[in-house]
Amino acid sequence: GAVVSQHPSWVICKSGTSVKIECRSLDFQATTMFWYRQFPKQSLMLMATSNEGSKATYEQGVEKDKFLINHASLTLSTLTVTSAHPEDSSFYICSARPQIADNEQFFGPGTRLTVL
Amino acid sequence: EDKVVQSPLSLVVHEGDTVTLNCSYEVTNFRSLLWYKQEKKAPTFLFMLTSSGIEKKSGRLSSILDKKELFSILNITATQTGDSAVYLCAVGTGGGADGLTFGKGTHLIIQP
Repeated sequence: GAVVSQHPSWVICKSGTSVKIECRSLDFQATTMFWYRQFPKQSLMLMATSNEGSKATYEQGVEKDKFLINHASLTLSTLTVTSAHPEDSSFYICSARPQIADNEQFFGPGTRLTVL
Repeated sequence: EDKVVQSPLSLVVHEGDTVTLNCSYEVTNFRSLLWYKQEKKAPTFLFMLTSSGIEKKSGRLSSILDKKELFSILNITATQTGDSAVYLCAVGTGGGADGLTFGKGTHLIIQP
């Protein structure tokens, strides 16, 4: 149980284009999903908290107009990197917290974004 | 600012050895401490600890939390090459929608 999927697994795009990443909880409902970013040899850094039916909460230093988050249902959150630039190249990982859980989070397999 | 510090950053041991990984934290409104194992992709959940002094165990892995001294340890006994990974410690705060604050991880390499 507690499986989280992400799509796509990896994406290469040109500078200036937008990329959408999907995060789905497959066998549970998640009122809250989280988006993290991980640069090479670094730890995960929380970008934003996505709440179903309301606006996302962004961490300090994360531009909300650049990283658009939509949590349309209890099983789906999307992250859109708008006007991507090479410095946005990173490993983006989502996690989902089951409704009945406290802090326990289950992570998706991640999406490797490379912006040329 | 919440902080999670792991040590050592990197560790190389031989198969069969026992290792202890450390995690200390300074956060406001502590709720729980979680350990994850990260190989090539996303972290996989190992343990969540909320109470001091109660050891959690899963096979050769065990972990304990000390809320007074603000640290946790993760023990791995009889290590195997498959235990090679980055082990991440994360702290959850509040009770609402807060994400986790991660340490930098301990890169563990088990040599045959």
